[in-house]
Amino acid sequence: DTAVSQTPKYLVTQMGNDKSIKCEQNLGHDTMYWYKQDSKKFLKIMFSYNNKELIINETVPNRFSPKSPDKAHLNLHINSLELGDSAVYFCASSQEGLAGGTTQYFGPGTRLTVL
Amino acid sequence: SQELEQSPQSLIVQEGKNLTINCTSSKTLYGLYWYKQKYGEGLIFLMMLQKGGEEKSHEKITAKLDEKKQQSSLHITASQPSHAGIYLCGAGVNGGSYIPTFGRGTSLIVHP
Repeated sequence: DTAVSQTPKYLVTQMGNDKSIKCEQNLGHDTMYWYKQDSKKFLKIMFSYNNKELIINETVPNRFSPKSPDKAHLNLHINSLELGDSAVYFCASSQEGLAGGTTQYFGPGTRLTVL
Repeated sequence: SQELEQSPQSLIVQEGKNLTINCTSSKTLYGLYWYKQKYGEGLIFLMMLQKGGEEKSHEKITAKLDEKKQQSSLHITASQPSHAGIYLCGAGVNGGSYIPTFGRGTSLIVHP
């Protein structure tokens, strides 16, 4: 069984549209994350949730809104998509916050292309 | 915020050769992670180092955190094509909260 899964794997859409990416983890972890990896492979944290509570929000435009219905799910909704949003988005989870020295488990990524 | 510089940016080696990837921080590292990303896939955890001078090995990959805890090196012995991918170091301390930060990655190609 996949530990951290994301859907869809690929997403191609027009500028101005609203889209969502879903993430689910079956590891029983308390903390989940969203990362953005740009075309130069630079991986940058966007959000982190611990037990459905937002704990990291790293200068991400308001168009991006994470939603955690329960601690096993962290979805990412993006409004009014822009060309610069094209990237690979990774979801990850960890047993506890990273400061405790725990390991992150990553999903396979969602490649978003905005035309 | 934490800055992590990786070198080299890319590496092409012949199968069987040894290689080293470095990760240097602008600040003291509290927990340094190494990940591997296969092309087009997610990140796979390799190792975590926390104590200065700590060294860990997994199969033919060894990682070390220097005593001053501002640099880590990843060494691959007798490289194989299966080692190909992007290696990323990750860490993060930003004031009182932990903000995970990654280096820009080192792309490794191993020619058979």
